[in-house]
Amino acid sequence: DQQVKQNSPSLSVQEGRISILNCDYTNSMFDYFLWYKKYPAEGPTFLISISSIKDKNEDGRFTVFLNKSAKHLSLHIVPSQPGDSAVYFCAASKAGTALIFGKGTTLSVSS
Amino acid sequence: NAGVMQNPRHLVRRRGQEARLRCSPMKGHSHVYWYRQLPEEGLKFMVYLQKENIIDESGMPKERFSAEFPKEGPSILRIQQVVRGDSAAYFCASRGQNLNTEAFFGQGTRLTVV
Repeated sequence: DQQVKQNSPSLSVQEGRISILNCDYTNSMFDYFLWYKKYPAEGPTFLISISSIKDKNEDGRFTVFLNKSAKHLSLHIVPSQPGDSAVYFCAASKAGTALIFGKGTTLSVSS
Repeated sequence: NAGVMQNPRHLVRRRGQEARLRCSPMKGHSHVYWYRQLPEEGLKFMVYLQKENIIDESGMPKERFSAEFPKEGPSILRIQQVVRGDSAAYFCASRGQNLNTEAFFGQGTRLTVV
């Protein structure tokens, strides 16, 4: 039973345009959501997070939106840069439990 | 402040041998999580530990796998009698006392069973 789903395995975007990565979850008890970025042969690195009491959090070029009623969150990257090319993982947790990850979306930004 | 340290980075074992993967959390972090990434798959939760306690091992296979986080020293993920299907990247993450914060990951250990 997959509690966190990233339904798009890959996304291709041109440099300078917006990248939108999506994530759905099934467990309404999740109260903390995160996005991680991962390069090959490296560990995931934290990008941005959002608590369930908010619906938006912004950090530079990265913005995360949370729609609790739809159990959906998205990561917007604008403008996209070639260095953003990586695998992006969505994760969720409830009340301090372990993070549950989606399967990831591979973002390719072409120049 | 050193990050999460995992060793070894690469580990090759023959079928039937034991694999020991080590993880030193970030300084001041007492919550450790182990994840496994199979080829073309996401990060699958295995076990959550605090010092000397297993909090959640719901993702751990019932046989051959065990984990510990002793009072002193690193957390250890132990795989006995490895099989080819155990070949994967194993990642460790740690968190501080505030559990509504991000977890920091190590570089991972790539286990290859031959």
